[in-house]
Amino acid sequence: GEDVEQSLFLSVREGDSSVINCTYTDSSSTYLYWYKQEPGAGLQLLTYIFSNMDMKQDQRLTVLLNKKDKHLSLRIADTQTGDSAIYFCAENGGATNKLIFGTGTLLAVQP
Amino acid sequence: SQTIHQWPATLVQPVGSPLSLECTVEGTSNPNLYWYRQAAGRGLQLLFYSVGIGQISSEVPQNLSASRPQDRQFILSSKKLLLSDSGFYLCAWSAVRWGNSPLHFGNGTRLTVT
Repeated sequence: GEDVEQSLFLSVREGDSSVINCTYTDSSSTYLYWYKQEPGAGLQLLTYIFSNMDMKQDQRLTVLLNKKDKHLSLRIADTQTGDSAIYFCAENGGATNKLIFGTGTLLAVQP
Repeated sequence: SQTIHQWPATLVQPVGSPLSLECTVEGTSNPNLYWYRQAAGRGLQLLFYSVGIGQISSEVPQNLSASRPQDRQFILSSKKLLLSDSGFYLCAWSAVRWGNSPLHFGNGTRLTVT
């Protein structure tokens, strides 16, 4: 079945690195995504990775993919208070492109 | 560039009243369209998706329905709201193609059923 799991909460200090983890079950997913949701807002696409890649870097964001273990992570370098939000990972669901979302990780950045 | 609009931003409705939430997309043609609900527990539940005008797929049985009267218009409706319909409703679109087709979300509608 399709299931995407994330830890619910992560607290870091401003300037530290944050690592948000995600596990998924559908090995046929071709793309995996990270979204950010600020309070009261919709989801904003942050980055994505193709399933034949191990790593993707985009400015302060680094995505690591371990396809064998079906594990995805998002590292945010030099975390800022503006990074406080809920972060969702998602896998695509095949031909219909229905994204399956994780439960979301609330990132709290302490000044 | 493509944009997606949802309205209203917030809505308070009594139990038993009807509902109509509207979503429109600009700057693209023949998009896939989606309605998600986000309950207080944070998870996102896919309610409906559409691959074309008049084509609606329902993911979960419920008190809600969806319609797509035009290519870039997606409407979420209910004839009689229940308390359990309260939540944050998100509309999204994606391009219709294989490969990388991320969803792009609107700003959401906060629905409170009283």
